[in-house]
Amino acid sequence: DAKTTQPPSMDCAEGRAANLPCNHSTISGNEYVYWYRQIHSQGPQYIIHGLKNNETNEMASLIITEDRKSSTLILPHATLRDTAVYYCIVPRNAGNMLTFGGGTRLMVKP
Amino acid sequence: GAVVSQHPSWVICKSGTSVKIECRSLDFQATTMFWYRQFPKQSLMLMATSNEGSKATYEQGVEKDKFLINHASLTLSTLTVTSAHPEDSSFYICSAHLAGGPTDTQYFGPGTRLTVL
Repeated sequence: DAKTTQPPSMDCAEGRAANLPCNHSTISGNEYVYWYRQIHSQGPQYIIHGLKNNETNEMASLIITEDRKSSTLILPHATLRDTAVYYCIVPRNAGNMLTFGGGTRLMVKP
Repeated sequence: GAVVSQHPSWVICKSGTSVKIECRSLDFQATTMFWYRQFPKQSLMLMATSNEGSKATYEQGVEKDKFLINHASLTLSTLTVTSAHPEDSSFYICSAHLAGGPTDTQYFGPGTRLTVL
C-alpha cells in the first residue's frame, strides 16, 4: 500500500464540518484512496473512496487534489456519534491487503 | 447491504483451551476474507488472508499452527485460536471482500473480544 500520513488527533465542534486531511504523495496513477472509520470497540466501517474526482455519499465527501498527493475527508455536520478513529488507506489492489496506520482520532465535542 | 457478522462477540476462556471464531458475509459472497488482530490503543494488524477452498496466507510472525483458518464456503470463514494463552487476548476482527460493484472493498465484522485467563 502507498504510505499515508494523517494527523494523530483532531477536535471538532458538534454541528460543524470536520475536515480530515491525508497525505499520500507516493500514490500511483491507478490507486484509489479509501477512508474507513472505527468507533470504539467496533469493526472498521467503510466511508468512501475515490480515484481523482471528488466524491460524495450519504456519509461524507472526499476531496482529492489535482496531483492526487493528498485528500480531505469532510463530514459536513459532525455529530457526537462521529467520534472515532479515521483511517485513510491507499491499497495496492482495490479491496485487498489493507494496511491500517495510526489514523486520526476525531473527537466531536458538544 | 454488505453486512458481515462475527460470532461470538466476546469470549472468555482458560489458558490452554481452543477458541473458534466465525465470520459470515450475510448478503454477499466473498472469495476472500481477512483476519485482523487489534491490541488496546493500537491499530489493526493483518493476520492472514483467507481464500475460499484454499489454504490461508499468513503474515510474517503469525503462527499458522496456532491460528487455524478455514474458509470452506463463500460466506463463512473461521479462525481457531489453539492452546490459547493470556498473550492471545485481543480484539479479533474479520472482513470480507465484496469484489466488483461500486465500492470493491472490504466490509468488516463487529469484532470478537477474546480474553484468556
